[in-house]
Amino acid sequence: NAGVTQTPKFRILKIGQSMTLQCTQDMNHNYMYWYRQDPGMGLKLIYYSVGAGITDKGEVPNGYNVSRSTTEDFPLRLELAAPSQTSVYFCASSERGGSVEQYFGPGTRLTVT
Amino acid sequence: AQSVAQPEDQVNVAEGNPLTVKCTYSVSGNPYLFWYVQYPNRGLQFLLKYITGDNLVKGSYGFEAEFNKSQTSFHLKKPSALVSDSALYFCAVSLTTDSWGKFQFGAGTQVVVTP
Repeated sequence: NAGVTQTPKFRILKIGQSMTLQCTQDMNHNYMYWYRQDPGMGLKLIYYSVGAGITDKGEVPNGYNVSRSTTEDFPLRLELAAPSQTSVYFCASSERGGSVEQYFGPGTRLTVT
Repeated sequence: AQSVAQPEDQVNVAEGNPLTVKCTYSVSGNPYLFWYVQYPNRGLQFLLKYITGDNLVKGSYGFEAEFNKSQTSFHLKKPSALVSDSALYFCAVSLTTDSWGKFQFGAGTQVVVTP
């Protein structure tokens, strides 16, 4: 199993541009998450999904959108990129919520200039 | 609301010495607690978790952690540190009453093990 895969690994955007970060998992997990990691801040939850067609906002959703049309894929859309969105983005998945561990992808390093 | 605190930004330890990484939590209910490790330019890897039962939990790579309900702590320990343990460590908490099981992560502790 590949686990959780993310593309691209790196990306530089200009202010105002848009892009989609891709996330795919092959573990048949229902739960998927998007986090951003900023130095000294830990990981902040952006959006999460508990199944195809079901998504909800996390702690820092502004400036982002998600969709979940299949169990495997959970893309994150950035509209009108801003320098504050410069960060490392991680996708994760889990079998269910709460007592089970989440499995993380390798991350996407995004710079907005 | 739930929160997690990792009071040390960095822990320095000599190889072969015991390693402790501290984590305290604040929740309005019973917690599930997790430790993750992150190596440079990599995603987070799961180390261990406390769900219920024995307060001492053993995990990957020789790590263990002790759940202390009265002190609301879940410190990560390793009896003899290796240079390869140098990494960023995160504590995370989720609530047993949260059906979505969202995690709250601490800010992370950088561990530096010197030869």
